[in-house]
Amino acid sequence: AQKITQTQPGMFVQEKEAVTLDCTYDTSDQSYGLFWYKQPSSGEMIFLIYQGSYDEQNATEGRYSLNFQKARKSANLVISASQLGDSAMYFCAMREAYSGNTPLVFGKGTRLSVIA
Amino acid sequence: NAGVTQTPKFRVLKTGQSMTLLCAQDMNHEYMYWYRQDPGMGLRLIHYSVGEGTTAKGEVPDGYNVSRLKKQNFLLGLESAAPSQTSVYFCASSSTGVWGTEAFFGQGTRLTVV
Repeated sequence: AQKITQTQPGMFVQEKEAVTLDCTYDTSDQSYGLFWYKQPSSGEMIFLIYQGSYDEQNATEGRYSLNFQKARKSANLVISASQLGDSAMYFCAMREAYSGNTPLVFGKGTRLSVIA
Repeated sequence: NAGVTQTPKFRVLKTGQSMTLLCAQDMNHEYMYWYRQDPGMGLRLIHYSVGEGTTAKGEVPDGYNVSRLKKQNFLLGLESAAPSQTSVYFCASSSTGVWGTEAFFGQGTRLTVV
């Protein structure tokens, strides 16, 4: 079973509008971290935001916020006031605690296109 | 700050040839990882290392070998390249393996096997 599911292969958003990118995850662990990365057309992987499983407040980083719903096992990324430079692939990833040294597991990504 | 550096950035191989991808990090990180990225598949873990001299298999290890002789370097080898190994390869590192630790990525290596 997939550990990270991103159901939106592609999304379009108008410039200056907000957009939500979906991510659901599967784990039986109580301790885990959720990450979002951005991959622009240049190819590099840029870390955006992190949410820990015990964090009671949703994480925010500038225009990025993470809508964390633990009971639903979802960790959606919200980008406010979209800019043309936000056009990129976005990956949700998870790291579990069960073995103490688990690598990041990624979803398949969502391609966001911002329209002027 | 160099961070994580991958060498080379691009490579074309013929089927059956061998090559080594080099990953170097200057952040004194214990953990290093090799991922491959294919269209529609996200990033999949090939091998990883939790410290100098240690390696472990990831999700898609077949056809690859790795070595971590020095803490700062993590090598990915293809002994006999196949067209199915055409992909973009990313190296990453993290300070610990703890679940709250982010990973830092290199710029990627685009490998084509013809």
